Amino acid sequence: GAGVSQSPSNKVTEKGKDVELRCDPISGHTALYWYRQSLGQGLEFLIYFQGNSAPDKSGLPSDRFSAERTGGSVSTLTIQRTQQEDSAVYLCASRPGGGRLETQYFGPGTRLLVL
Amino acid sequence: SQQGEEDPQALSIQEGENATMNCSYKTSINNLQWYRQNSGRGLVHLILIRSNEREKHSGRLRVTLDTSKKSSSLLITASRAADTASYFCAISNAGGTSYGKLTFGQGTILTVHP
Repeated sequence: GAGVSQSPSNKVTEKGKDVELRCDPISGHTALYWYRQSLGQGLEFLIYFQGNSAPDKSGLPSDRFSAERTGGSVSTLTIQRTQQEDSAVYLCASRPGGGRLETQYFGPGTRLLVL
Repeated sequence: SQQGEEDPQALSIQEGENATMNCSYKTSINNLQWYRQNSGRGLVHLILIRSNEREKHSGRLRVTLDTSKKSSSLLITASRAADTASYFCAISNAGGTSYGKLTFGQGTILTVHP
């Protein structure tokens, strides 16, 4: 079956512009995560969605970052007024259910460059 | 910080040799996972070991977990040039509300020379 897909693959934007990154999880997966990978910080958790529960936003670095998940499937990560330090690879992952022991399946990521 | 720490940061070996990477962590865990990443893009899940397990095998991979020492190791036997990649350990913490949220180590860059 299809894996996690993300779009766009690459995004170049100017400082101050808003960007939207999209994640299509594996069909039927109820848990969805966003991570960020940057040179200075490694891989960082950003936000977690599980079913209809309120998302865990504890990893979002500032209020310029937001995410939503519509219909329990597709998720969009929005970065407003981008800054150069937002440049990173943004990775989305999904897993089947609410249990704590299950593997996460990662998408190929979106490489964001803020000029 | 709850982040896992890995060593070595970089490892260079010849094809056919074994590669061992280590991961240490600070918190109680539900499970520990190892991932591989090629060319800075998507992560590929390799193996998951639960907190009540001590050793697990998958093909040429062997993972050990010592919860008393809060450490894990990943052994790749009979390495191949195609194993060249970055390897990350990731911890799923016990407790908390973000079930399955992973905290990653900084990774080990493995280079296997043909």
